[in-house]
Amino acid sequence: GAGVSQSPSNKVTEKGKDVELRCDPISGHTALYWYRQRLGQGLEFLIYFQGNSAPDKSGLPSDRFSAERTGESVSTLTIQRTQQEDSAVYLCASRIRLGQQYFGPGTRLTVT
Amino acid sequence: AQSVTQLDSHVSVSEGTPVLLRCNYSSSYSPSLFWYVQHPNKGLQLLLKYTSAATLVKGINGFEAEFKKSETSFHLTKPSAHMSDAAEYFCVVSNTGGFKTIFGAGTRLFVKA
Repeated sequence: GAGVSQSPSNKVTEKGKDVELRCDPISGHTALYWYRQRLGQGLEFLIYFQGNSAPDKSGLPSDRFSAERTGESVSTLTIQRTQQEDSAVYLCASRIRLGQQYFGPGTRLTVT
Repeated sequence: AQSVTQLDSHVSVSEGTPVLLRCNYSSSYSPSLFWYVQHPNKGLQLLLKYTSAATLVKGINGFEAEFKKSETSFHLTKPSAHMSDAAEYFCVVSNTGGFKTIFGAGTRLFVKA
């Protein structure tokens, strides 16, 4: 595809359940980012992957959050035992070296 | 260490008047700087970027920004606001050659008729 895609576009889950969010980056983009955007707020960096290097996990808010990426392809963000404060739009972006980030449409997560 | 501060959470202008959205950054290395725009219920779109070439950068939709190293600023301007400019604007800093990026908290621009 031409752009970054994310699935699902919307996810409603009950408190305490686990969720998995998927990101398909643009082919050939070595870097992949996950961000969280709460309603009316800015982007909060969560994690980024760069090629085969160890990911920078410094933005993950708790050990309930984890992410994986296989090579330079798909990434999944997993949130375990979801809490209401996890409700947000989760954005994925990919990038080549020195280039701009291309953002996906986001996954809107609602924890009830 | 890197950081970025957007000095105004909200800016309100009248249509046809100039726009100024302020951004200050901190970076241990030569930075790359970006402005992104997010329209309601739309994805993030790159407006312009600075990567150590010309200090005055022109972007889409008539926006431009000037990199001022002495002031550690990268303010976004537009001579004449249009109603369609109403959106959230994010200033972003990244190390040149690096990958980690830091987003500012955003400035919401309101344009009055």
